[in-house]
Amino acid sequence: DGGITQSPKYLFRKEGQNVTLSCEQNLNHDAMYWYRQDPGQGLRLIYYSQIVNDFQKGDIAEGYSVSREKKESFPLTVTSAQKNPTAFYLCASSLSGRAGGETQYFGPGTRLLVL
Amino acid sequence: GDSVTQMEGPVTLSEEAFLTINCTYTATGYPSLFWYVQYPGEGLQLLLKATKADDKGSNKGFEATYRKETTSFHLEKGSVQVSDSAVYFCALFLSGSRLTFGEGTQLTVNP
Repeated sequence: DGGITQSPKYLFRKEGQNVTLSCEQNLNHDAMYWYRQDPGQGLRLIYYSQIVNDFQKGDIAEGYSVSREKKESFPLTVTSAQKNPTAFYLCASSLSGRAGGETQYFGPGTRLLVL
Repeated sequence: GDSVTQMEGPVTLSEEAFLTINCTYTATGYPSLFWYVQYPGEGLQLLLKATKADDKGSNKGFEATYRKETTSFHLEKGSVQVSDSAVYFCALFLSGSRLTFGEGTQLTVNP
């Protein structure tokens, strides 16, 4: 089955620790995205990538880092610089990220909690 | 900048009631418009979309019409079910830009 997988489903972070959230897609999509969702709020874009080895900051990139070494993978690292990381993190992909009408497909999400 | 404004929630309805969730947008060009749905604890799924003015998107009994004159894309369903309980997000996309989401509207349908 084609789709997007995110792991883990729940992740716990200790103070001062970096953690990495995994996102993999087998849809052969060029574009991938990371969003943050806080309770009762909409989605805010953290980073996005439209091609391997290239990525762009979104609206709330501070305290996060990404890499795009392979087309199918777009891991997100939440660094210790992110002071309020507790949130639901959603990964998405789309065919190119450029065309109008293009659908973004979402993974099931990772819930990050701070110990 | 581009933005999407959704009707504030939460919305609570009885089963078989008529649903409308309002969505208006501000954009500098001619965006594509989307409705996404998020069931509890899950990611988002595309519900329907429309790519040009007067287009009607429809899926699972939900409909929305792209109204350029009122810059709106209101979501409607004639008879809601308990299984429709979810958060609904309106979104727009302009070529060369990014997907812009509204705040989301929580819908609860009671039996």
